[in-house]
Amino acid sequence: GAVVSQHPSWVICKSGTSVKIECRSLDFQATTMFWYRQFPKQSLMLMATSNEGSKATYEQGVEKDKFLINHASLTLSTLTVTSAHPEDSSFYICSARGTGQSPLHFGNGTRLTVT
Amino acid sequence: GENVEQHPSTLSVQEGDSAVIKCTYSDSASNYFPWYKQELGKRPQLIIDIRSNVGEKKDQRIAVTLNKTAKHFSLHITETQPEDSAVYFCAYGGSQGNLIFGKGTKLSVKP
Repeated sequence: GAVVSQHPSWVICKSGTSVKIECRSLDFQATTMFWYRQFPKQSLMLMATSNEGSKATYEQGVEKDKFLINHASLTLSTLTVTSAHPEDSSFYICSARGTGQSPLHFGNGTRLTVT
Repeated sequence: GENVEQHPSTLSVQEGDSAVIKCTYSDSASNYFPWYKQELGKRPQLIIDIRSNVGEKKDQRIAVTLNKTAKHFSLHITETQPEDSAVYFCAYGGSQGNLIFGKGTKLSVKP
């Protein structure tokens, strides 16, 4: 089945530093990938839609200059949290789908803790 | 806007009983309705999905029903087991190919 690999699975960083999270579709090409954020005991909230070869589309309230998304190939999208602050601590999950009406497949998620 | 209401937020049942979780969505153009199970600290796992050309789908102890007229869809788990304990999310396909998630239902199955 379709596999989405995400890493790191967890990261601890100091306030003010940047963190990059990678999301790869291992056995299918993903023209579109989605980045979600999940705070403790809450639902998954879509942050942005990443389209290969073009600029990401951000949801309302998500700062595009803080959460940099790059989707340089059909199998890789990256999310960089710049100048991280403690309130950015969360579970970040990427997802991707192949063509047509294939299901959305999730990465394992990245637990970010900003100290 | 795109929105889905999910109820209840918590559900506690005895092992062997049935559990039902309901969702109501807003976008009538949606035609894909998946359900995800998420265990603590892990990614959501797709457990069943339904498309708008069918009204019901069943997979062993899990079933999903869809009423497009009323914009309702429900998850039914029969003969619940302790390992069914998790958070369950309904979702529907958004206009951009993404998924819009409900707020989740924490299911606890007591032995």
